[in-house]
Amino acid sequence: QKEVEQDPGPLSVPEGAIVSLNCTYSNSAFQYFMWYRQYSRKGPELLMYTYSSGNKEDGRFTAQVDKSSKYISLFIRDSQPSDSATYLCAMSFGGRRALTFGSGTRLQVQP
Amino acid sequence: GAGVSQTPSNKVTEKGKYVELRCDPISGHTALYWYRQSLGQGPEFLIYFQGTGAADDSGLPNDRFFAVRPEGSVSTLKIQRTERGDSAVYLCASSLGGGKADTQYFGPGTRLTVL
Repeated sequence: QKEVEQDPGPLSVPEGAIVSLNCTYSNSAFQYFMWYRQYSRKGPELLMYTYSSGNKEDGRFTAQVDKSSKYISLFIRDSQPSDSATYLCAMSFGGRRALTFGSGTRLQVQP
Repeated sequence: GAGVSQTPSNKVTEKGKYVELRCDPISGHTALYWYRQSLGQGPEFLIYFQGTGAADDSGLPNDRFFAVRPEGSVSTLKIQRTERGDSAVYLCASSLGGGKADTQYFGPGTRLTVL
């Protein structure tokens, strides 16, 4: 079993929809949680960064972390065709810089 | 300013050959990371440099893989006796290196194909 599980999709939604992306993890030592966006043939780009449990909002994006359930989410409001990409969750714990990634969810926003 | 750059963008080689992949980090970033991303998967950690030294090489799959960063800036990932299973996108990232919560900035990757 992988340390971080993520539904690969693809997830197809109409423009303007609210998108919910999720990851579960097994290692309770993870403290830092990130969401990266990756366009085709490009490197991952950091979207959101959260430390420990709680919510964080940035524009149309909201990240949630529930450490008790080992579950993290990314919500995208008013989705746009330009949001079409693969979304990767990533996490790490203190003392180790290496990121552990999920396998990514491919999102398609239809105009 | 310029982001992380990687060369070449694509590399095709034959099984058994030696390859070198180069990474130029963001200027001033002391930490540098290599990851490998197979098709349909997330990046997998290979090695992390702080300055010139490899602080964590626990992700290197075997002794065919080696990386250097001799002057604390540019890094080279070296793969000996390549195998078809080495085919993947090799991603480099850099960060300021100031703490545990460092943001890692990724380059576009080198797509390696081993025939």
